[in-house]
Parts: sequence; C-alpha cells; structure tokens
Amino acid sequence: DGGITQSPKYLFRKEGQNVTLSCEQNLNHDAMYWYRQDPGQGLRLIYYSQIVNDFQKGDIAEGYSVSREKKESFPLTVTSAQKNPTAFYLCASSNPQEVEAFFGQGTRLTVV
Amino acid sequence: AQSVTQPDIHITVSEGASLELRCNYSYGATPYLFWYVQSPGQGLQLLLKYFSGDTLVQGIKGFEAEFKRSQSSFNLRKPSVHWSDAAEYFCAACGGGGYQKVTFGTGTKLQVIP
Repeated sequence: DGGITQSPKYLFRKEGQNVTLSCEQNLNHDAMYWYRQDPGQGLRLIYYSQIVNDFQKGDIAEGYSVSREKKESFPLTVTSAQKNPTAFYLCASSNPQEVEAFFGQGTRLTVV
Repeated sequence: AQSVTQPDIHITVSEGASLELRCNYSYGATPYLFWYVQSPGQGLQLLLKYFSGDTLVQGIKGFEAEFKRSQSSFNLRKPSVHWSDAAEYFCAACGGGGYQKVTFGTGTKLQVIP
C-alpha cells in the first residue's frame, strides 16, 4: 500500500545532541513537508521541498535542517540549536493536482 | 495575514447527538479548504475538501461541511456522533492549487460521552 512512513515513533535525545527523524513516501509525490505540533498550537511548518535537491524554510525553521537527495525521502535533523525540541513531528507529502497533504503517523521527540 | 480560526478548543457531545465544528478563514481570495481528523498519537487523515462548486461537501465517516463565502466559514457537521469520532479535528486552508502553503487552525478536541 502507498503511504508515508515515519520512524522512529518515539525518540529520546539528550540535550546538546543532534537527532534525525526519518520520512519516506512511496506515493510518488513531488512535494514533502515537515510540521511540528504542540498542544493548542496546531501544526506549524518547519521546512518543505517541492523537488529533489531543493527545499525552503517554513515558519519555524531555526534549529532544524533537512535534505532531499531522493524523491522518496525527506529526513529532518533537529539540531542542538533548537531551544525547545520536545514535540510531535509530522511529515507530509502532496502533488499539485491533488493539493491535499497526506500525513505520516508522526514521531514524538522527547529531550531528556 | 492568512489565518484559520477554530474558536472551540474542546467540545463535548453525547453519542447520537449532532455535531458542528466551527472554522473561519481569512484569505485574500476564496482558498481551498480542508478538514482533517487526528486520533491521539497518530497522523492526520483527510475528511473532506472544498475547491469550488457545490458548497456542501460530503466526506468520509459520515461527515459533511458547508462553505459559506459571506461568513468566511467552513463548518464541519455530522448528524449523529459515534464514540469512535472522539478525536481532534483540524481545519486547514491554502491559497490554491500547486504548492501553496497550507495554514492550519489550532484544532478542536471532541469528546463523546455515552
């Protein structure tokens, strides 16, 4: 079945460490997105990519980095510069014809 | 600035009762509109979408939404709520087709009591 796979589902990190969240899709979608979700704040866009080897900052990109070396993959690195990284992270993908985004199951990151 | 507002943070309804979740948007032109549902610890699932045409949109799981241009609203409705509908609901909007940025509301958490 086609879909978006995020891994791991739960992730723990010590302060000062970088950590990478995985996102893979087999929907053949061109665009991919990373959102951060905090209680009561909805979803906020971190980064998005419309095509391989290209990506743009969203509303809250500081402390995060991404790469898009393959159409299917869009990993997100949470760096030590992110002051409050504990959150639920959602990856999504879309095509311009369909417009709506398809979401993965999310990764919950906790800084300990 | 473009925005989506969901005025109700929490709503509690009895099983079998009707449901309406409110959503208002602020965009320069009529945006594309969406409703998503999220179960705890899960991703978002699309319930329905509106691009143009008939202002009453049918979605999955028995949900429908009505677009009202005069009120800048896109409220979600269900005639009879089931316990399995308990979840968080997000309204979202984008400026059009292609790779337009999607703006999400802050969500409405639905509790269903027996």
